[in-house]
Amino acid sequence: DTEVTQTPKHLVMGMTNKKSLKCEQHMGHRAMYWYKQKAKKPPELMFVYSYEKLSINESVPSRFSPECPNSSLLNLHLHALQPEDSALYLCASSQEPNVMNTEAFFGQGTRLTVV
Amino acid sequence: SQQGEEDPQALSIQEGENATMNCSYKTSINNLQWYRQNSGRGLVHLILIRSNEREKHSGRLRVTLDTSKKSSSLLITASRAADTASYFCATSNTGGFKTIFGAGTRLFVKA
Repeated sequence: DTEVTQTPKHLVMGMTNKKSLKCEQHMGHRAMYWYKQKAKKPPELMFVYSYEKLSINESVPSRFSPECPNSSLLNLHLHALQPEDSALYLCASSQEPNVMNTEAFFGQGTRLTVV
Repeated sequence: SQQGEEDPQALSIQEGENATMNCSYKTSINNLQWYRQNSGRGLVHLILIRSNEREKHSGRLRVTLDTSKKSSSLLITASRAADTASYFCATSNTGGFKTIFGAGTRLFVKA
């Protein structure tokens, strides 16, 4: 199984809502990532989890709250988002975070619209 | 912050032609990777080249890396309409934790 599964595929939420994005992988990967991608732009790194611990937070606003309940799951909790947070949110995983051969596997993303 | 920069931003070719995309980066890297993205969905890993390698092949793909110039190129030979996608280079820093993507090249292959 070389899949990273993200749910939901699409999400529309109001600025006062609380929602969560979910990501799951069963490849035994010990690094998991959240990226944000705006239209016609490259993915921008948000968070890196290494061995279930948050290792990198790229100065992401606190209205985005990541969580790694176990080695297979990664969540992104959303609260009080702004319309400019509308984007494609991509989850990825890799075998090890600090080894040269770090091919990343990406999920299909959640397309988030904040209204 | 973005590390890799790519050119061209967009490339339109006929089926059967070769497509070359270039990527430049700014700091020391562990490796450089190329990814493909169709229609704003998930990225698919194409090829990884380590900092001590100069060239790598995978099927119709050929990647070169010049660490002295901090640049890489991706060549797709005998392109097909199905190759139409956005292509991103991505670099991992020497700590290995961060993979940062370049701006991307949008490739259009006309049938």
